[in-house]
Amino acid sequence: SQQGEEDPQALSIQEGENATMNCSYKTSINNLQWYRQNSGRGLVHLILIRSNEREKHSGRLRVTLDTSKKSSSLLITASRAADTASYFCATDTSGGSYIPTFGRGTSLIVHP
Amino acid sequence: NAGVMQNPRHLVRRRGQEARLRCSPMKGHSHVYWYRQLPEEGLKFMVYLQKENIIDESGMPKERFSAEFPKEGPSILRIQQVVRGDSAAYFCASSPDGDTQYFGPGTRLTVL
Repeated sequence: SQQGEEDPQALSIQEGENATMNCSYKTSINNLQWYRQNSGRGLVHLILIRSNEREKHSGRLRVTLDTSKKSSSLLITASRAADTASYFCATDTSGGSYIPTFGRGTSLIVHP
Repeated sequence: NAGVMQNPRHLVRRRGQEARLRCSPMKGHSHVYWYRQLPEEGLKFMVYLQKENIIDESGMPKERFSAEFPKEGPSILRIQQVVRGDSAAYFCASSPDGDTQYFGPGTRLTVL
């Protein structure tokens, strides 16, 4: 089945630095979504990017999608300690009902 | 508009007992999804329901697990005769359109 895989598994940075996480997938998609999960909490939807889009912005978040490489990246600029969380990408498959498949996530720690 | 509600937040059961997990979707959302998350893992899709219908249960174990989303009331994920391996966080998500999903805070099931 389709699965997004995030890279790196863990990332540790200082406040103010940028954080970049990548997601690779295997087959054609309709869209790709990024979520954040704080420890012990549910997932929070961050951004959706459709297969015909290449880049999308939301506040300090920037998502790119390269369908030729089957990859996406999430960039968090000027990171804050509150950005500490796990970040997941979720991909669906073209056609049929939308069942997103999640990777294992990137664990981001932002040190104050 | 309240978010997705799940209860209980924590549930402890002994082996062989039944676990019932409830999910109230956001108002106006007719799509409900259930996921299971093991520690340090991503979310694994279990089942996708719309009112009174199971759309996709490809991620649901064939035995002991069942789900419903009645015309009135919350969606229920039911696990019969729980075993230790069922211990996990169970997340529910709802969607207004089968696209972007909004997650609940999860139910943490511990089987003793």
